[in-house]
Amino acid sequence: GEDVEQSLFLSVREGDSSVINCTYTDSSSTYLYWYKQEPGAGLQLLTYIFSNMDMKQDQRLTVLLNKKDKHLSLRIADTQTGDSAIYFCPSGGSQGNLIFGKGTKLSVKP
Amino acid sequence: ETGVTQSPTHLIKTRGQQVTLRCSSQSGHNTVSWYQQALGQGPQFIFQYYREEENGRGNFPPRFSGLQFPNYSSELNVNALELDDSALYLCASSPDPGTDNQPQHFGDGTRLSIL
Repeated sequence: GEDVEQSLFLSVREGDSSVINCTYTDSSSTYLYWYKQEPGAGLQLLTYIFSNMDMKQDQRLTVLLNKKDKHLSLRIADTQTGDSAIYFCPSGGSQGNLIFGKGTKLSVKP
Repeated sequence: ETGVTQSPTHLIKTRGQQVTLRCSSQSGHNTVSWYQQALGQGPQFIFQYYREEENGRGNFPPRFSGLQFPNYSSELNVNALELDDSALYLCASSPDPGTDNQPQHFGDGTRLSIL
């Protein structure tokens, strides 16, 4: 089965907060990452959190990690139309690889 | 600091042909990983190269092969192209193999279309 589960779609209004959730089946990764993919582009590393942390804040981004529940979330404050993209939260594989789910498509309405 | 660059950006091939995709790693990074992203899917790991050797491989057939050069740049070769090989091919580099150290940084990908 999937190592990473995410909701496929999220729609918010400009200026609202967005929360994108992620659940892992394997939580052995030392770091957990959030990547953003705009249409037709590659993956941009947004932020990452060390697995022994509960929270990390980086400007408009807040990452929360609940290791017990294997749950990771990304909160985007004051969401802008430029935040419209697909967001991925890959887990770390055994071969130094990243294991991706299908991502969450965030649509921001003006 | 130079990021990950990939070439070409787009490519059209026909079934049965062979293709070579290229990747230059970010400066200071010695490890390159390749991923295939089909439309509407997340990236799937093809393989990783470290010190010019294959360091790990995903569930892809042997017609997917690669190289890494002394300057850490890398090539992905695909033989006997099939229609299902149509995808975005992403290259990622990192300072070391494994994901326990630093995150992987991705290029913009090569869009491969098979007719």
